[in-house]
Amino acid sequence: DTEVTQTPKHLVMGMTNKKSLKCEQHMGHRAMYWYKQKAKKPPELMFVYSYEKLSINESVPSRFSPECPNSSLLNLHLHALQPEDSALYLCASSQEGPGLAGGLSTYNEQFFGPGTRLTVL
Amino acid sequence: RKEVEQDPGPFNVPEGATVAFNCTYSNSASQSFFWYRQDCRKEPKLLMSVYSSGNEDGRFTAQLNRASQYISLLIRDSKLSDSATYLCVVILPLYNQGGKLIFGQGTELSVKP
Repeated sequence: DTEVTQTPKHLVMGMTNKKSLKCEQHMGHRAMYWYKQKAKKPPELMFVYSYEKLSINESVPSRFSPECPNSSLLNLHLHALQPEDSALYLCASSQEGPGLAGGLSTYNEQFFGPGTRLTVL
Repeated sequence: RKEVEQDPGPFNVPEGATVAFNCTYSNSASQSFFWYRQDCRKEPKLLMSVYSSGNEDGRFTAQLNRASQYISLLIRDSKLSDSATYLCVVILPLYNQGGKLIFGQGTELSVKP
């Protein structure tokens, strides 16, 4: 299985709703990522989990809350979003991620899921 | 200056043409380098990694020049199915945080019959 899956494919929510995006991989990868992509722009990194621990938070607003229940699953909980949060949300995984204890590290190539297209009304 | 810069697009070429994309990166400490391809409304997919010795995969050739901090992608005999946005990706090591992927803005390629 060389796939990253994401659900739902599409999501429309109001600004007062609470929803969750889900991501799953069964490649044994130990690093998982959330990206946000607006039209005609490259993906922007939001969060990195490495060995199930949050490793990088790119100063994302607290209305986005990531969760990594186990090494195969990654969730993104959404609450009180704004219309400007409408975008394609991409999950990715890689074999290795940042080291926990610091020092220089590199990622292997990342494999992306198909994304969730989110519209906030 | 952006950390990763790519040729502005779009590139409109006829089938069978050879097209070259260029990318420069600003941080000399950058490590692994990749080209990703992204079709409209789809996720990015890894096209190829880029090595200093250069690497080739069928009609695609990638080159890395560390001294000039320059990455290239050459597509020969372009097909209609090559139409997509090509993203140059660089891994920037961050001490005590591991590394992170930096994407270029992407170059749109349109191959016409």
